[in-house]
Amino acid sequence: NAGVTQTPKFQVLKTGQSMTLQCAQDMNHNSMYWYRQDPGMGLRLIYYSASEGTTDKGEVPNGYNVSRLNKREFSLRLESAAPSQTSVYFCASRYRQGNSPLHFGNGTRLTVT
Amino acid sequence: KNEVEQSPQNLTAQEGEFITINCSYSVGISALHWLQQHPGGGIVSLFMLSSGKKKHGRLIATINIQEKHSSLHITASHPRDSAVYICAGETSGSRLTFGEGTQLTVNP
Repeated sequence: NAGVTQTPKFQVLKTGQSMTLQCAQDMNHNSMYWYRQDPGMGLRLIYYSASEGTTDKGEVPNGYNVSRLNKREFSLRLESAAPSQTSVYFCASRYRQGNSPLHFGNGTRLTVT
Repeated sequence: KNEVEQSPQNLTAQEGEFITINCSYSVGISALHWLQQHPGGGIVSLFMLSSGKKKHGRLIATINIQEKHSSLHITASHPRDSAVYICAGETSGSRLTFGEGTQLTVNP
């Protein structure tokens, strides 16, 4: 099993450009998440999808949109990138929304200049 | 004050030493997660526990619900244990709040 596959691994954008981060899991998990990780801060939730067909905002949703394309795939879109969105982004999934272990992708290092 | 606090922030040990990383939380939780972030950046789940103690190999996690405190212990530490260890509290609404992490370095 591949687990959680996240692409790309690195990306550099100019302010105002758009991009989509892709995430796919092959573990038949119901819940999927997008987090960002910044120095000196814990992982922060951007958006999540508790189950196929639903998406909800997390702690820091401004500037982002998501799509739960099907049970396997959950993408994160930056419509107009800003330097404040420079971060490492992690996709994660788990079997159900509560009290089950998380499985993480390898992360995307995004720099916005 | 963060809802989840870890200590220490940084820890350096010699190979073979017994290591303890602490996690305190200020809200009621339904589960406590321990994660390991490798130097390359990947994150893996080590434990999820809601009471008592769990053990996997040289790693032991404990939780005291009344004191709102959890510990991660590593016995007979090895340089390959060098990583960032992250705890996260899960509330009854399934929201996870992450600590900032503890950077562990184990020297040979």
